[in-house]
Amino acid sequence: GDSVTQMEGPVTLSEEAFLTINCTYTATGYPSLFWYVQYPGEGLQLLLKATKADDKGSNKGFEATYRKETTSFHLEKGSVQVSDSAVYFCALNSGGSNYKLTFGKGTLLTVNP
Amino acid sequence: AAGVIQSPRHLIKEKRETATLKCYPIPRHDTVYWYQQGPGQDPQFLISFYEKMQSDKGSIPDRFSAQQFSDYHSELNMSSLELGDSALYFCASSRSGPSTDTQYFGPGTRLTVL
Repeated sequence: GDSVTQMEGPVTLSEEAFLTINCTYTATGYPSLFWYVQYPGEGLQLLLKATKADDKGSNKGFEATYRKETTSFHLEKGSVQVSDSAVYFCALNSGGSNYKLTFGKGTLLTVNP
Repeated sequence: AAGVIQSPRHLIKEKRETATLKCYPIPRHDTVYWYQQGPGQDPQFLISFYEKMQSDKGSIPDRFSAQQFSDYHSELNMSSLELGDSALYFCASSRSGPSTDTQYFGPGTRLTVL
């Protein structure tokens, strides 16, 4: 079945540091890939997505590239801010027998001033 | 832009009671998904609806039921509540039927069972 493996946290960085959160997946078919962000006490917000190989999703300085050959969708940001502190979820939707989102376990990012 | 609306935002119930959670999808979205997120966990898919019909079913307990109405809003009914049902319940919506298209999430309903 489908699965998402995310880099375990928590991750603590200083402001303006470079961020990478690794995400690899196993899926039937050809999935769409997503990063969602959950700020403290809030719901899930779509951060970015990619729907085919070599697509790059980007938003708010975050980027992730759909790598079919390595089944990966790593999240990167060149310079994090305190306001980026949140939990980040990698997710996929492969269709298959249903169209549910399968999430990774989430990575808690804390950015210190 | 209009987002997914969920009500109530917070709900406190006693064991063995019943709860009803409501979800209003983004206008012109016809598909609704329900997810359950336990403390410190990733969201788990419960059930989805398209055009008022159940389209997929995940790990939803038999004590739970759900439906989608003609205006596309959905309700999740939970009976004989247990302590383990305490969680954040998300509704998400998408357009154009069940697909790999983006699912947009509501703010969630935090259910606490005492």
